[in-house]
Amino acid sequence: NAGVTQTPKFQVLKTGQSMTLQCAQDMNHNSMYWYRQDPGMGLRLIYYSASEGTTDKGEVPNGYNVSRLNKREFSLRLESAAPSQTSVYFCASSPPVQPQHFGDGTRLSIL
Amino acid sequence: AQKVTQAQTEISVVEKEDVTLDCVYETRDTTYYLFWYKQPPSGELVFLIRRNSFDEQNEISGRYSWNFQKSTSSFNFTITASQVVDSAVYFCALSDYFYNQGGKLIFGQGTELSVKP
Repeated sequence: NAGVTQTPKFQVLKTGQSMTLQCAQDMNHNSMYWYRQDPGMGLRLIYYSASEGTTDKGEVPNGYNVSRLNKREFSLRLESAAPSQTSVYFCASSPPVQPQHFGDGTRLSIL
Repeated sequence: AQKVTQAQTEISVVEKEDVTLDCVYETRDTTYYLFWYKQPPSGELVFLIRRNSFDEQNEISGRYSWNFQKSTSSFNFTITASQVVDSAVYFCALSDYFYNQGGKLIFGQGTELSVKP
């Protein structure tokens, strides 16, 4: 089925380790987004890419980097993981003026 | 600054009761969009509705209805005759949109709805 695919679905890291969360969409959407979801705080935007070749910071960008590899793929990197980055991460994509389609999420635990 | 407030953290109802989930938003933009998403226990986010700031008509979709009132900056969601399958966390979200700049979503904290048999 068409949609947004996130890998991995689960990951446990040790403090200081690095990793990249992958996201790919096959709906030819221009815009892609990374959110994190923490209990009682809803989803908060980390970074977004309005179109291929552009990226911008969202509400909580510290400790993260992103790469819009091509129109399909938008990756999120944690260079030196911290326990405060334990969260569920969602990738989303959307065409202009349309609702965002979300992936199933990546549950990340940092010990 | 944009903000979305869902004051109800948790709501518990008995099946077949009607329930309204409140959403209040803040924005200085004249053009904006409001959304509701559902997150069932399985964790995925399911889009329910989008409303733009120029369309204040209420909308009904089956047992779901939405009441958008710009005068009170509210976009409330009512489930009529609730069912156990409606148990989920519901998020209200706000987006300003500028073409070619993406549509960043500002989410409320979510309301966890529990429908008991």
